[in-house]
Amino acid sequence: DTGVSQDPRHKITKRGQNVTFRCDPISEHNRLYWYRQTLGQGPEFLTYFQNEAQLEKSRLLSDRFSAERPKGSFSTLEIQRTEQGDSAMYLCASTPGVREASEAFFGQGTRLTVV
Amino acid sequence: ILNVEQSPQSLHVQEGDSTNFTCSFPSSNFYALHWYRWETAKSPEALFVMTLNGDEKKKGRISATLNTKEGYSYLYIKGSQPEDSATYLCAFLGNYKLSFGAGTTVTVRA
Repeated sequence: DTGVSQDPRHKITKRGQNVTFRCDPISEHNRLYWYRQTLGQGPEFLTYFQNEAQLEKSRLLSDRFSAERPKGSFSTLEIQRTEQGDSAMYLCASTPGVREASEAFFGQGTRLTVV
Repeated sequence: ILNVEQSPQSLHVQEGDSTNFTCSFPSSNFYALHWYRWETAKSPEALFVMTLNGDEKKKGRISATLNTKEGYSYLYIKGSQPEDSATYLCAFLGNYKLSFGAGTTVTVRA
C-alpha cells in the first residue's frame, strides 16, 4: 500500500461544468476526510466518512457538493455547476478510525481551477 | 465552527536560531491535538499526536507541548535549518472530527 492517492492531481474546468474527484485511502482505514484548502488558509473541513457512512457535512458546503464512499473503500467528491470560487486544493485524508487519536494520512490533493 | 487558531501566520528565522509558535483550540470535547508539517508540493505529514495534558513530544530538533486545560500547544524548532522551511499545521480532534488551523509558515534563511 503506497498511501492515500487522489485522482486527478490537477483539473481545469469551465464554469458551470461538473467535476468529480477520487480518493483511495490506505486500506483498512475506516475514516476518510475531505478538506478544501485555499491560498493562505489551512485545510477547511468539508465532510467525513466512517466506513460507508457519511457522518458529517460542513454547513459551509453548498448543495452543489456531494461525496460518496459506496463500499467503504474509495470515495468520490463531486462538484456540480462549478463556480470560480470553487477553485482550490481538495485534500483527502484517512485514519484507521480504531483509535481516535491516530494521525491522518493525506493524499497529494487535487488542484481545481475553474475558468 | 471550531476555532483552531495559529500564531503567527508566518515567520522568518535565521539559520541556527530557535523559534516557536502557538496553536490554540477549544478546551472542551478534547480527544487529541495533532501537528503536521506541510512542505510545498507535498502532502501534510504528521509530526506529533498528543492526547494528555502536559504531554511533551520530541522528534529531532522539533518538540511540542500541550496544555488541554487552557487550550494551547507550542511547537519549538531548535537550531533551525533550511529544510525546516514549511507550513506547520495544528489540528484539533474533538467529537471525531479533525479541524485544522490556518498554519504557521516558517522560512529559514541561510
